[in-house]
Amino acid sequence: ETGVTQSPTHLIKTRGQQVTLRCSSQSGHNTVSWYQQALGQGPQFIFQYYREEENGRGNFPPRFSGLQFPNYSSELNVNALELDDSALYLCASSLNRFSTDTQYFGPGTRLTVL
Amino acid sequence: SQELEQSPQSLIVQEGKNLTINCTSSKTLYGLYWYKQKYGEGLIFLMMLQKGGEEKSHEKITAKLDEKKQQSSLHITASQPSHAGIYLCGADLRDDKIIFGKGTRLHILP
Repeated sequence: ETGVTQSPTHLIKTRGQQVTLRCSSQSGHNTVSWYQQALGQGPQFIFQYYREEENGRGNFPPRFSGLQFPNYSSELNVNALELDDSALYLCASSLNRFSTDTQYFGPGTRLTVL
Repeated sequence: SQELEQSPQSLIVQEGKNLTINCTSSKTLYGLYWYKQKYGEGLIFLMMLQKGGEEKSHEKITAKLDEKKQQSSLHITASQPSHAGIYLCGADLRDDKIIFGKGTRLHILP
């Protein structure tokens, strides 16, 4: 109902592999933020993209990277997967890059690293 | 350390009862978001507060931001099974990102 979609819904990978998660924002929303939510925790900010450029980053290593495309789609790439990367990954879109703009979340991708 | 603390961590209430969830920040809140999350799913936006003393309501849910802008409360009146889920507060601390609390898990007993 938020107009934000994510794929895939679930994913299982093994340690050391690479993964790409996808997000489709609401049309017209220039900003996408990615979050990692471990079991029993609140979402942790990974990074934000505004008009295809990184606009802020949380405390995540460089093996977490992203891309944003002009068609309101975006990707989160994680290299050299570790067991602790197992989590629900959420993307959220908003109109602008200001933190006062309401963020609309997708349903998430559940990543399991074995 | 957690910049945003939510209490209680978990809450079980009888259907029809009122309840309150609190969110406390160690820093000034420039914006405070309340979201609801069904287990393992995305976040659903409930409301956003910006001004000290501000209060907003949506159906049976009311949220307030205190005058000092360091605490917010979410109050549900006459709870229903549809209110069950995880309630998350998210804070704008004026550093261009939203930080979230760990959430309050609400269970409604029929």
